[in-house]
Amino acid sequence: QQQVKQSPQSLIVQKGGISIINCAYENTAFDYFPWYQQFPGKGPALLIAIRPDVSEKKEGRFTISFNKSAKQFSLHIMDSQPGDSATYFCAASRGAAGNFNKFYFGSGTKLNVKP
Amino acid sequence: EAQVTQNPRYLITVTGKKLTVTCSQNMNHEYMSWYRQDPGLGLRQIYYSMNVEVTDKGDVPEGYKVSRKEKRNFPLILESPSPNQTSLYFCASSFRGTSGGASSYNEQFFGPGTRLTVL
Repeated sequence: QQQVKQSPQSLIVQKGGISIINCAYENTAFDYFPWYQQFPGKGPALLIAIRPDVSEKKEGRFTISFNKSAKQFSLHIMDSQPGDSATYFCAASRGAAGNFNKFYFGSGTKLNVKP
Repeated sequence: EAQVTQNPRYLITVTGKKLTVTCSQNMNHEYMSWYRQDPGLGLRQIYYSMNVEVTDKGDVPEGYKVSRKEKRNFPLILESPSPNQTSLYFCASSFRGTSGGASSYNEQFFGPGTRLTVL
């Protein structure tokens, strides 16, 4: 049973467009929701993260929107660039519960930004 | 340079031949983890370690072993590899957080990955 469900599996966006990737979770005990970016041949790297006490977090062109009641969160990439082409993973964990190292990842979204 | 290193990066082996994938970090992190990445399944945690001599199972521990004798190293051992263990493996490390508060949320740093093929 997958703890975090991610969609879409792949996404094609034109340069300058908005990329939106969605994730949903069931466990209300999750309290940390990071997004990781992975380029081909590399390990994932933290892109942006949010805690459930806020509904939105923005860092540059990347924004996480968080809907606690719906148990959903999404990544928005504004003004998408070809350099954003990568695989994106959402994740969730229960940091405050003490199990800091137990992360659950979504299945990944391969983003292709066309020039 | 702060980093997580893995060796080897690529490995082709045969069923049943024991192998070890090494992982080392130079950031003095308490936590280390092993993940496998498979198409359509994302990253799944195999084992993790909260400190030296303290390890616990993740979601997919069957067929794997780990040890943490030193803080910087966390090797992954496949004692009798099988074809279903063909995958891309990542090691990760992070600082230990405190209970609650912002510091309990810690960034994981991933290694470059090891692509394992078991024939």
